[in-house]
Amino acid sequence: QKEVEQDPGPLSVPEGAIVSLNCTYSNSAFQYFMWYRQYSRKGPELLMYTYSSGNKEDGRFTAQVDKSSKYISLFIRDSQPSDSATYLCAMIRNTGTASKLTFGTGTRLQVTL
Amino acid sequence: EAQVTQNPRYLITVTGKKLTVTCSQNMNHEYMSWYRQDPGLGLRQIYYSMNVEVTDKGDVPEGYKVSRKEKRNFPLILESPSPNQTSLYFCASSLGLGIGYTFGSGTRLTVV
Repeated sequence: QKEVEQDPGPLSVPEGAIVSLNCTYSNSAFQYFMWYRQYSRKGPELLMYTYSSGNKEDGRFTAQVDKSSKYISLFIRDSQPSDSATYLCAMIRNTGTASKLTFGTGTRLQVTL
Repeated sequence: EAQVTQNPRYLITVTGKKLTVTCSQNMNHEYMSWYRQDPGLGLRQIYYSMNVEVTDKGDVPEGYKVSRKEKRNFPLILESPSPNQTSLYFCASSLGLGIGYTFGSGTRLTVV
C-alpha cells in the first residue's frame, strides 16, 4: 500500500464549477501538507502549504486537512480553463535529522469552456 | 529571478554512456533534491542533500550518484545509464526542513 493515495483522474469539469481534489495517507507522522500544481512540460509549483488540521484559504483555493481521518483536500472555486493541470498532494515528515517529502501520483484536471 | 535551473531540458543517450544533469539554484537554499517522475508512480526521490558535502539516498538511488561541492549546485550523475532510467527528472531546492520545494523545469531523459 502506498503511503499517499491520490485518484489519478482525469477529472473534467465545466468552467465555473467547484472542484474537489483529495488525498489520503497512512502514516500519522506526516506533519506538513502541500498542494502542487504542474502544467504540462513544467515542474511542479507550490500552491498551498498547511501544517495543522483545518482550512486555509488563498483566493479561489482552499486547502483542508483532517489529521484524524488522514485526509486532505483542495477545493477550487469558480474554476477557470487556466486551472487545467495536474495537482499533486505532498506531505512531509521529519525524521530528526532529515525530512522526507512524499508525493501523491497526481490528479489531472481539465476545465472546459 | 529566484529559480532552479536544470540542464539539459532534453537528452537522448545510449546505454552505458556516462552523463551528468546539472542543477543550480540562486536562492541560497540549504536543501536540494532530485526526483524522477514516471506515469502511475508519481514523483520519487532519488537523492537529497541537506548542505554542502552532505548527501543521502532517497527512495530510488540505484544507478545514480550526486555531489554537493558548492551550495548552489547539485549535479545528478548516471555512470552507466540503462533504459529503465528513461524518465522525467526534476531538481528541487528548499530553505530548510518542512518547507515547500522550488522545482526546476525538468530534464526528459531517454536511454536507448
